Amino acid sequence: GENVEQHPSTLSVQEGDSAVIKCTYSDSASNYFPWYKQELGKGPQLIIDIRSNVGEKKDQRIAVTLNKTAKHFSLHITETQPEDSAVYFCAADSWGKLQFGAGTQVVVTP
Amino acid sequence: DTAVSQTPKYLVTQMGNDKSIKCEQNLGHDTMYWYKQDSKKFLKIMFSYNNKELIINETVPNRFSPKSPDKAHLNLHINSLELGDSAVYFCASSQVTGRADGYTFGSGTRLTVV
Repeated sequence: GENVEQHPSTLSVQEGDSAVIKCTYSDSASNYFPWYKQELGKGPQLIIDIRSNVGEKKDQRIAVTLNKTAKHFSLHITETQPEDSAVYFCAADSWGKLQFGAGTQVVVTP
Repeated sequence: DTAVSQTPKYLVTQMGNDKSIKCEQNLGHDTMYWYKQDSKKFLKIMFSYNNKELIINETVPNRFSPKSPDKAHLNLHINSLELGDSAVYFCASSQVTGRADGYTFGSGTRLTVV
């Protein structure tokens, strides 16, 4: 089955700096890679996703890159703001079943 | 509001009790899921249903029994609760069976077994 690894587990950045979270996956059949943001006491919310036929996708301050050959994908957040503080999860879709990474606690300090 | 809603939000109960968590989605999605999030925030799928039919049943103890009365509802019943069942349980739904795009999560039920 699919195995998703995510690094780092915690990330502390100064407001205005960039944050990068990296994930690797094991199942070459996976073709959809979403990223979720989970704030305290809430459910995960989809923030951006990418399909296997695309190498990069951007939405304002967030971007995701995918390297299918190397089986890794990354989330980039630019110009971080305090409201970006949350736990971020990467995931890989294997036949409709999302396998999640272990999560990255991002703390943005003013 | 269109959403995935689950009740209750908090559930504190004693070991050995039986409890249920309810989930409803009004997004018109075909598939619904239960996920468990442990104390280390790890999210793991438990079950998935498509239009009342069980599709995915991960290695979950028999004490956990999902029930889907219709496409919009997926409830989770837990018998003989144990301390290790303490976690946050999330319901989710997605538009199309076999594809995870459009996954929408509920806000979670924090279960504490004492």
